[in-house]
Amino acid sequence: GAGVSQSPSNKVTEKGKDVELRCDPISGHTALYWYRQSLGQGLEFLIYFQGNSAPDKSGLPSDRFSAERTGGSVSTLTIQRTQQEDSAVYLCASSLARNTGELFFGEGSRLTVL
Amino acid sequence: KNEVEQSPQNLTAQEGEFITINCSYSVGISALHWLQQHPGGGIVSLFMLSSGKKKHGRLIATINIQEKHSSLHITASHPRDSAVYICAVGKEGNKLVFGAGTILRVKS
Repeated sequence: GAGVSQSPSNKVTEKGKDVELRCDPISGHTALYWYRQSLGQGLEFLIYFQGNSAPDKSGLPSDRFSAERTGGSVSTLTIQRTQQEDSAVYLCASSLARNTGELFFGEGSRLTVL
Repeated sequence: KNEVEQSPQNLTAQEGEFITINCSYSVGISALHWLQQHPGGGIVSLFMLSSGKKKHGRLIATINIQEKHSSLHITASHPRDSAVYICAVGKEGNKLVFGAGTILRVKS
């Protein structure tokens, strides 16, 4: 596609439910990143995929968070047993290569946990 | 102390003014990014730089690796430049550490 596509754009869920957020990066971009922007807080890194290498999960806040990237393209971020503090905008970005690539961001998925 | 510090936090300017936003960081980096976020909107990458200076239209970004400092300049500012400007440093590639952002408002 022309840009990084994320879905859903908005998600409201009840505490304790699982949610899945999807990211479709720019075609040909080998690097894919998930970031989170919480209300009143800045952006934080969550997880990073580079090609077929094992992902860097060092930013995931708890074991309720997981992500996978199938076929080196689409990625899904899963949050199990959601909590109110998980409410945030989840941003996906992709780049051509890890150390040299300009980042292209999606519009984000706004998650609200009631 | 945060690894990435931006100043000022808030900035109000009159249309046409020259604007500078500063970013200091305390870690070794592979690159520094300047990002723009409009209210309710997504994030756009303005610059990625690891040395020297880059220019794009009315925007100029500079970095001093020795002093661990970068500046974003906007010449002839316009109300459409109103946005949040975010400095982010890549400690390992694009595994970024973000500054808190500078909220810029340009009045006509």
